[in-house]
Amino acid sequence: GDSVTQTEGQVALSEEDFLTIHCNYSASGYPALFWYVQYPGEGPQFLFRASRDKEKGSSRGFEATYDKGTTSFHLRKASVQESDSAVYYCALGDSSGSWQLIFGSGTQLTVMP
Amino acid sequence: GGIITQTPKFLIGQEGQKLTLKCQQNFNHDTMYWYRQDSGKGLRLIYYSITENDLQKGDLSEGYDASREKKSSFSLTVTSAQKNEMAVFLCASSLDGGNTGQLYFGEGSKLTVL
Repeated sequence: GDSVTQTEGQVALSEEDFLTIHCNYSASGYPALFWYVQYPGEGPQFLFRASRDKEKGSSRGFEATYDKGTTSFHLRKASVQESDSAVYYCALGDSSGSWQLIFGSGTQLTVMP
Repeated sequence: GGIITQTPKFLIGQEGQKLTLKCQQNFNHDTMYWYRQDSGKGLRLIYYSITENDLQKGDLSEGYDASREKKSSFSLTVTSAQKNEMAVFLCASSLDGGNTGQLYFGEGSKLTVL
C-alpha cells in the first residue's frame, strides 16, 4: 500500500538556521502531497499541498516541491524562528481513491533562541 | 470559520472497559475521520465516514467501533481498553476527502488506561 517516510525523528536548530525535513513517498500515479504542522496541545494544521510533478507548495515561509522522479516532497525554510518549534507531518492522499490521508511518522523541530 | 470539538479532552479508564469518544464539527463537512496518534508512529487512521451513516475501516480499526448518526457528529468506541495503553485520538473533517481537500483537526482526546 501507499506509504510516507520521514527520516528525521527530531531536528534541533538555532534561530536563522536553514531547515530541511525529508519526506519520501511510495504510491502509484500522482497522489496529492501535504505538509501539516502540530503545535503543543493542538491538533495538526494544514500547511500546504501540491498535486503534480514540479509543483511548489508554500506557506508561512515554508516550501516544498513535488518531485515525482525522486518521490520526494522535502520541507524547507530559509530562516527558522523559535516559534516554528512544532511537529511536522508529511502526508499523501491515498492513490486508490479512498478518502483518507496517509501520514508520515512526524518530525519534532526544536528551534533554540 | 468552523471548529472541531472533541469530548472528553482527557479520559482515564480501566482495563477491559468500553470507552467512547465524541466529536462534533460545524463546518458542514461531509467526511469525518478518527486518527490515533502515538509517539514516533505518526497518525494512523482508525475509521472514516464520507457521509451520514457511512463507515469505512482504516488500517487500525480492530478493537474499535464507530458511529456517524448525524452529519455533524462522529463517535469512536474503544471496545476493550488495553492495560497501560496511552494514546491521543484525533478527530478531523474535510469537505471533499483527503486527496483533494484539507483536513481540519480537533485538539485531541488523551486516553490513559490503568
